Amino acid sequence: SQQGEEDPQALSIQEGENATMNCSYKTSINNLQWYRQNSGRGLVHLILIRSNEREKHSGRLRVTLDTSKKSSSLLITASRAADTASYFCAPFRAGSYQLTFGKGTKLSVIP
Amino acid sequence: EAGVAQSPRYKIIEKRQSVAFWCNPISGHATLYWYQQILGQGPKLLIQFQNNGVVDDSQLPKDRFSAERLKGVDSTLKIQPAKLEDSAVYLCASTPNSDTQYFGPGTRLTVL
Repeated sequence: SQQGEEDPQALSIQEGENATMNCSYKTSINNLQWYRQNSGRGLVHLILIRSNEREKHSGRLRVTLDTSKKSSSLLITASRAADTASYFCAPFRAGSYQLTFGKGTKLSVIP
Repeated sequence: EAGVAQSPRYKIIEKRQSVAFWCNPISGHATLYWYQQILGQGPKLLIQFQNNGVVDDSQLPKDRFSAERLKGVDSTLKIQPAKLEDSAVYLCASTPNSDTQYFGPGTRLTVL
């Protein structure tokens, strides 16, 4: 299945701490994307990492990709209360233009 | 740039009633998706359109769900008749045939 599986399912941290969430998948991919969903809202694209990249940064976000292990991680540094949301990884294979989402990681940042 | 618009934002109906959701994608985006997201789960793809043609509707419960995208722009998703298990958030997303999808705010459906 192209679906990504996020781990842990829930994560609670104090404001200012770093948050790390992981994603595993089963098929070969062209890229892997991370999305955020605030409660009651739609998903927002955060970052995309291509299969030939190992690490990518965007602001306080750092994403790694290990295609040999079929895994990715998302690190949010210096977390803020506004980072409280669910985070989904989505492995992508070119051609179908489809994303398959797992259950996500629910992050709670306590002020 | 305007985002993906959806309406209504909330809908409460009785079981066996019908309901329709509307989506207006970002201008110029050829591909449009409808997802169903049940509480505590990730979004599940229901149907994918390329312009006004259906690319994939393999996960659409066709006995009660229907969708159309006339003129390759706006789209409507209909449920008739609704069941209790249809209670969910219905998300619309679009893409200009790139890797990234852009999501609307969703419609929260409650079936009583």
